[in-house]
Amino acid sequence: AQTVTQSQPEMSVQEAETVTLSCTYDTSENNYYLFWYKQPPSRQMILVIRQEAYKQQNATENRFSVNFQKAAKSFSLKISDSQLGDTAMYFCAFTIGRLDNAGNNRKLIWGLGTSLAVNP
Amino acid sequence: NAGVTQTPKFQVLKTGQSMTLQCAQDMNHNSMYWYRQDPGMGLRLIYYSASEGTTDKGEVPNGYNVSRLNKREFSLRLESAAPSQTSVYFCASLGTGVPSGGNTIYFGEGSWLTVV
Repeated sequence: AQTVTQSQPEMSVQEAETVTLSCTYDTSENNYYLFWYKQPPSRQMILVIRQEAYKQQNATENRFSVNFQKAAKSFSLKISDSQLGDTAMYFCAFTIGRLDNAGNNRKLIWGLGTSLAVNP
Repeated sequence: NAGVTQTPKFQVLKTGQSMTLQCAQDMNHNSMYWYRQDPGMGLRLIYYSASEGTTDKGEVPNGYNVSRLNKREFSLRLESAAPSQTSVYFCASLGTGVPSGGNTIYFGEGSWLTVV
């Protein structure tokens, strides 16, 4: 079965410090895409970062970076210089396979989330 | 660029009433999804549509129906609402290709539904 596990239901960090959120997944597929989504109290789902499984280089987006370990099936999110606005629920997810122009459906597998509190 | 738009944002229903949640995307995406989110349970897939004219059940389809009216629109209907359907509902679409860096999931802002 394809699953995503986020082992830390809640975390906290002091403002300006660095925090790492863990995510492990299980799939027998070789091609897939991994995501981290942020859900602030407004409940909006916001894409934080995306990683293609066939790329060895870790994705980065400003203060957000991932540590992608394909063999270990691990996809952790590092937030540097944490800000109060980073307080949110963070979801790890992946979609199997590579979309083609026909738009064949790809299943989206989600973790249960990690609630991150950034303290002043 | 509006992205994914879903309406209504808030709704209170009485048990047994029916309603339809509307969702539209303007990104020419083929795949669209309806999720519900409940405390401690993450996102659960209700129904999805791989392309116009096709729909499939997800994890929790009971009590819901969907319609993929055209490529843009994917609606979710509660025929006879029950208190167990009190939840936040998200519509999403899945993008493809370059150059925007496809295979990205775009979400609507959510619809808060309370069934009393």
